[in-house]
Amino acid sequence: KAGVTQTPRYLIKTRGQQVTLSCSPISGHRSVSWYQQTPGQGLQFLFEYFSETQRNKGNFPGRFSGRQFSNSRSEMNVSTLELGDSALYLCASSLAQGATGELFFGEGSRLTVL
Amino acid sequence: QKEVEQDPGPLSVPEGAIVSLNCTYSNSAFQYFMWYRQYSRKGPELLMYTYSSGNKEDGRFTAQVDKSSKYISLFIRDSQPSDSATYLCAMSPSAANAGGTSYGKLTFGQGTILTVHP
Repeated sequence: KAGVTQTPRYLIKTRGQQVTLSCSPISGHRSVSWYQQTPGQGLQFLFEYFSETQRNKGNFPGRFSGRQFSNSRSEMNVSTLELGDSALYLCASSLAQGATGELFFGEGSRLTVL
Repeated sequence: QKEVEQDPGPLSVPEGAIVSLNCTYSNSAFQYFMWYRQYSRKGPELLMYTYSSGNKEDGRFTAQVDKSSKYISLFIRDSQPSDSATYLCAMSPSAANAGGTSYGKLTFGQGTILTVHP
């Protein structure tokens, strides 16, 4: 069974640009969550989608947005990039809504903002 | 103060040692407690999952939850070099009590970097 797939794995952008990251969940999983991981703040919740609806959002500015498609694939977008957006962005999928901890993570997209 | 506190280490032990990793938390609504392991340049993988208080054992790993003290632990027996990784504790409230505001949201500790040397 294929795991969670994230693309691209690595990318470099400059301040002011925007970026789109993609996530394909495990087949049959309908919930997709996004997390930002940095050395200083650790793993922080961005948002969660279930059946194309955003169910929850973390404390991030509106520059961070996402969506989920009918096939459960998800994308997140960061506009007007700042240096502080440099991080590992992790996508996780789970079978059911209201994850109780059994999240399956992808390997992440490492974003560097110059 | 963070909701979940975890000593970042780093922790270095010899092969075969017993490792104890701990987290404390402040949110009494947390009901689900997890330990994730993250190897370098990889995503976290679920190691142990516990609901409410008690102990759970899986091979060389034992997870303990003490809700009265708001304290959780992970013990690794007979540690191996392959156990070298970052260990993250994570928690979430009961979905039924969360009022819809915690879907998909885990609150993580900072992570403890563990090195087991031969």
